[in-house]
Amino acid sequence: DAGITQSPRHKVTETGTPVTLRCHQTENHRYMYWYRQDPGHGLRLIHYSYGVKDTDKGEVSDGYSVSRSKTEDFLLTLESATSSQTSVYFCAISVKEDTEAFFGQGTRLTVV
Amino acid sequence: QKEVEQNSGPLSVPEGAIASLNCTYSDRGSQSFFWYRQYSGKSPELIMFIYSNGDKEDGRFTAQLNKASQYVSLLIRDSQPSDSATYLCAVNEYGGSQGNLIFGKGTKLSVKP
Repeated sequence: DAGITQSPRHKVTETGTPVTLRCHQTENHRYMYWYRQDPGHGLRLIHYSYGVKDTDKGEVSDGYSVSRSKTEDFLLTLESATSSQTSVYFCAISVKEDTEAFFGQGTRLTVV
Repeated sequence: QKEVEQNSGPLSVPEGAIASLNCTYSDRGSQSFFWYRQYSGKSPELIMFIYSNGDKEDGRFTAQLNKASQYVSLLIRDSQPSDSATYLCAVNEYGGSQGNLIFGKGTKLSVKP
C-alpha cells in the first residue's frame, strides 16, 4: 500500500458523536486525499491537501473537516456523525497533482 | 458536473480470452488517465496510467486512449480467474480542484475457469 497506513481500520460509532480518521504516509508525497466509496456512487473526493496546512474541499465535503499539520499525517474529522456517513473511507497520496494516486487500506465506518 | 462513465457489468469472459473494459469521460481538458483494479473488500490498486493518445502496453495489460473521442479502454490478454475484480477508470479534473481524480463507478469483471 505504498507506505500508507489508515487508522482505525474499522469503527462503529453512534449518531452525533465526533469521529477522527487518520492517514499516515512514509513516502513524503505532497498531495493527500480523502475519498469515500459507496455502492452506486463509486469513489468521491471529500477533501484534499496540497501541502502542510494547505487543504481544500472536494465533491462531498459537507459534514467533514480535515487537518494536515505534518507532511505525513492527514486527519479527517466527522464533526457530528450521521448515518449517511456510513461508508468506506480511503486515503490516497500522490507526488504531483496530475500523477497516479496510491491508496491506503481503507476504514470501514458504521454510524448507528 | 464532470463525469466518467463505465459499464457496470458484470463482464464475463472465459479464461484465456481478452477482456475489454471501456470508459468515456466528459472533461475535454483531462490529460491523465488511470486504470485501477479493486478486489472485493480491498483498496484500489493502480494497474496502468496513460497520458498520450494511442496504446500503452504493460505485460498482459494494454491501455488505449483516444482524446478526440474522449475514450479510454483497458484490454486484458490471456485473462485469468485472478483478474476477476472491479476495474475503475479515473481521469484527472482539468482546471478544477488540484489533483482531483474523477472515478467511474467501475466495471465488474468475472473470468470463468
